[in-house]
Amino acid sequence: GGIITQTPKFLIGQEGQKLTLKCQQNFNHDTMYWYRQDSGKGLRLIYYSITENDLQKGDLSEGYDASREKKSSFSLTVTSAQKNEMAVFLCASRRTSSAETLYFGSGTRLTVL
Amino acid sequence: QQKVQQSPESLIVPEGAMTSLNCTFSDSASQYFAWYRQHSGKAPKALMSIFSNGEKEEGRFTIHLNKASLHFSLHIRDSQPSDSALYLCAVSISGSWQLIFGSGTQLTVMP
Repeated sequence: GGIITQTPKFLIGQEGQKLTLKCQQNFNHDTMYWYRQDSGKGLRLIYYSITENDLQKGDLSEGYDASREKKSSFSLTVTSAQKNEMAVFLCASRRTSSAETLYFGSGTRLTVL
Repeated sequence: QQKVQQSPESLIVPEGAMTSLNCTFSDSASQYFAWYRQHSGKAPKALMSIFSNGEKEEGRFTIHLNKASLHFSLHIRDSQPSDSALYLCAVSISGSWQLIFGSGTQLTVMP
């Protein structure tokens, strides 16, 4: 078994602030994802990475940057926090095949003041 | 661009009922179809997946896929209060690493 650890669990920032969310996995998975979940809603893909140093944009990438410097870690930066992007940010990973199960971390809840 | 839609948005059923959740997708090249379940305040977890047309049953849960109609569904037999959760369908296209989720169905099973 493995685990995905997201830090911090709660992140509070000011409007316009640059904020970074971190994700670590010990599954040894190649592919990692960042999703945003607005309250009680579905998941929207922000960024994904097929392998170390690879970055691919999802439909919601505007206003975000990502970094995959190691196979085990994937960071997401909110470049200028806005009140309308208060949400839970979920990190996930899976093995190489695109048909494999996605495993999720427990999320980072972002609040913008 | 792949569009994935779920219905209904929310559903309340009595304990013991059969529950049916629906998901439609737009890209006929889709190859992987899955349901994830998310209990309140928890991470989503994979429930079931299917690759080819037909049905797959695991315990009280059955997934049904019809690629021609761009539709798949999840059926829960003998629904339990512990089944109360947000159900998310997900689809990926052959050769793509993207897994696109629907907007979710909030299921409440009343004891």
